[in-house]
Amino acid sequence: QVQLVESGGGVVQPGRSLRLSCAASEFMFSSYAMHWVRQAPGRGLEWVAVISYDGSYENYADSVKGRFTISRDNSKSTLYLQMNGLRADDTAVYCCAKGLGTGSWYYLDYWGRGTLVTVSS
Amino acid sequence: QSALTQPASVSGSPGQSITISCTGTSSDIGGYNYVSWYQQHPGKAPKLMIYDVSNRPSGVSDRFSGSKSGNTASLTISGLQAEDESDYYCNSYTYSGTLVFGGGTKLTVL
Repeated sequence: QVQLVESGGGVVQPGRSLRLSCAASEFMFSSYAMHWVRQAPGRGLEWVAVISYDGSYENYADSVKGRFTISRDNSKSTLYLQMNGLRADDTAVYCCAKGLGTGSWYYLDYWGRGTLVTVSS
Repeated sequence: QSALTQPASVSGSPGQSITISCTGTSSDIGGYNYVSWYQQHPGKAPKLMIYDVSNRPSGVSDRFSGSKSGNTASLTISGLQAEDESDYYCNSYTYSGTLVFGGGTKLTVL
């Protein structure tokens, strides 16, 4: 069964940085696009970023563009999200999710449980 | 990109059918057939229910169906069951190569 386990969340002051990790297992990680999606407490889902299977393509939501960077290490089956210049409205549970397939990267078929990031002074 | 527009809540009785709408623009829903729907029970990870507007992943009940007309996509659940009570989110690919979710709809089974 596909497993995605996020880590790295915590409480951070506004303007500081944090790096999230997502450890993947039980599937061919290097063959699939991966995403980050966040959910603020009591709010809906917000798509954050995507990276292609080989890391050659990335894209971001306008709300994080220029501040967040998605990356991956296929040798470690791990996805990352580097978050800089954090703001209070970045407070959310951050989940990694697997893209459905090569020609269907825009569908997310497996999700992790998420890691909570709280931005507060 | 602005979130897609969904009703905040819908309700129905067991056995009935309900439809959840999801309205976007020609830059997302109207421009591409890359619409999906997710079900999220409280405290759980979202589950993909519909992709490519109307396709169901393996294991998803055929009581769930999707459609699209213009800038609006819809999710219909027929033969409502208590277990269908959940939050539902639509999602679309956009002209800028990003994804956008709807605000979510809470389904209550009366």
